[in-house]
Formats: sequence, C-alpha cells, structure tokens
Amino acid sequence: GAVVSQHPSWVICKSGTSVKIECRSLDFQATTMFWYRQFPKQSLMLMATSNEGSKATYEQGVEKDKFLINHASLTLSTLTVTSAHPEDSSFYICSAKVSNYGYTFGSGTRLTVV
Amino acid sequence: SQKIEQNSEALNIQEGKTATLTCNYTNYSPAYLQWYRQDPGRGPVFLLLIRENEKEKRKERLKVTFDTTLKQSLFHITASQPADSATYLCALSMNRDDKIIFGKGTRLHILP
Repeated sequence: GAVVSQHPSWVICKSGTSVKIECRSLDFQATTMFWYRQFPKQSLMLMATSNEGSKATYEQGVEKDKFLINHASLTLSTLTVTSAHPEDSSFYICSAKVSNYGYTFGSGTRLTVV
Repeated sequence: SQKIEQNSEALNIQEGKTATLTCNYTNYSPAYLQWYRQDPGRGPVFLLLIRENEKEKRKERLKVTFDTTLKQSLFHITASQPADSATYLCALSMNRDDKIIFGKGTRLHILP
C-alpha cells in the first residue's frame, strides 16, 4: 500500500534553532501533502496544505514565516520550524492523499525544544 | 461554531464485548466521514470511510454507521480484544479542498 516515510521520528533542539522534518511518499506521487500538529491528548490540528510546485496554504493562526513548507517534488515535502521555542514542542505529522478518498499518514515527529 | 465531538475521552470495555464509539458534529456538511486508529507516538492509520449517502459500512469486526440527519457516526468493534486498545479518531471531509478535520479521539481500553 501507499507509504509516507517521515523523518526524524524525534528531535531535540535548542531554543532559537531551526529544525527540518521530511516526508517522502515511497511508492506513489503525492501532489498534495498536509501537515498537522498534535499536542498531548488533543486532536490533530491542520497547519497547512502543501502542493507540489506552488506555495503552501496555511490555516488561520499558523505563522507561515515560522513554519516553512517546501514541496519541490512529487515525492518530498518538508516542514522547517524556524527559531524554535519551547511552545513549538509538539508531535508533527504529515499526510498525503492517495486516492479519491484515501489518506496515508507519516509516523510522526516528536519535537522537543529546550 | 463548527465542532466535532467524540463521546468520551476514555472508554473501558471488557474483552469479547462490543465497543461503541460516537462522533457528533455541528455546522458541517461532510461529504464523507472516516475513522482512524492512533497508537501512542504514532501517526493515524486509516480504518473505514463512509460516504454521506451510505448508512452503514463493515470491515471484518468493524462497523460504521452514518446518520446525516442526527449528524452522528457510530463506530463499533465486535468481539473486542486487548490489541484493539488505542485512540480512535473520527474525521470529516467536506470534499471541496481535500482537507480532513479530526475530532479529539476516544481512548479505548479493552480489559482482559
């Protein structure tokens, strides 16, 4: 089946530094990828939709200059958290649409900013 | 305001019984509704999808119903097993922009 590989699975960084998270579609081409953030015991909150070759669409309240999304190819989308702060610590998950109705999710990245 | 509510934060069910989880929504008109399983520290895994014109869907021990009048979906796991213990998420899609919106989830514990 369609698989999205997400790396790293966890990362610890110092406050003020930037962190890049990658999501690759392994056996299909992902024209659109979705990036979510999930706080403990909370729902997945959609941050942005990335489309290959064009600018990402951000949800209301999500800072596009802080969460940089690049979708330069049909198999790779990246999320860079710039100038990370402790409040950015969260579980970040990517997703791709694989058919008219099906979505597949990455395994998630646990970001801890110290 | 738009809301997706799942009936309880946690649910304990005895092994072998049927677990029933509820998803209610307000101020949405979803084209279809999905159920996902999420284990701790992992991404969601797709289980079932039901369209707005479908009443019921089954897959092995899983059954989903969708009532667009009540704005409610029920998710059933029959003959529950401890391995079914996980968080189950309800998600809606409006179909116009491919986005799916998630509920907070219900943590299901199947007690041996």
